[in-house]
Amino acid sequence: GAVVSQHPSRVICKSGTSVKIECRSLDFQATTMFWYRQFPKQSLMLMATSNEGSKATYEQGVEKDKFLINHASLTLSTLTVTSAHPEDSSFYICSATPGGTQPQHFGDGTRLSIL
Amino acid sequence: AQSVTQPDIHITVSEGASLELRCNYSYGATPYLFWYVQSPGQGLQLLLKYFSGDTLVQGIKGFEAEFKRSQSSFNLRKPSVHWSDAAEYFCAVEPGGGNKLTFGTGTQLKVEL
Repeated sequence: GAVVSQHPSRVICKSGTSVKIECRSLDFQATTMFWYRQFPKQSLMLMATSNEGSKATYEQGVEKDKFLINHASLTLSTLTVTSAHPEDSSFYICSATPGGTQPQHFGDGTRLSIL
Repeated sequence: AQSVTQPDIHITVSEGASLELRCNYSYGATPYLFWYVQSPGQGLQLLLKYFSGDTLVQGIKGFEAEFKRSQSSFNLRKPSVHWSDAAEYFCAVEPGGGNKLTFGTGTQLKVEL
């Protein structure tokens, strides 16, 4: 089946640093990738939609300068949390789809902890 | 407003018992419907999906779901639950096109041995 790899799985860093999370589709070309944030014991909240070769579309209330998304190829999207602060600590999950009627396939998530 | 509702936050069943997790949606037209499962600290795995056609959909791990247009529901079922089924279950809808999903709040399933 379709595989999406997300790296790293866990990050602990100091406040003020920037953190990059990678999302790769390993066995299919992902025309669209999505980035979600999940708070403890809550559902997934869509942050942004990323299409290869174009600017990401951010959901209302998501700071695009804080959460930089790059989708440089059909198999890779990155999320960079810039100048991270403790309130950015969360579980971030990416997903990818070939498009059309194909469902989204999810990575295993990244646990981000900002000290 | 468009929404997805999972009325049960927590459900506990005994191993071997049957299971039904509820999902209701509110959209103008029939959206694409999905059930995903999430184990602690991990991403989501697709259990099954409904786009059109037969309203009873078979998925992986012995799960099935039935789409009922009259009730705007897409309930997930399993005839006999295994201890390894303990996890968080999310219902999701895609209004149509763009693959943008809206998730329900999730149902935490606990299985008693």
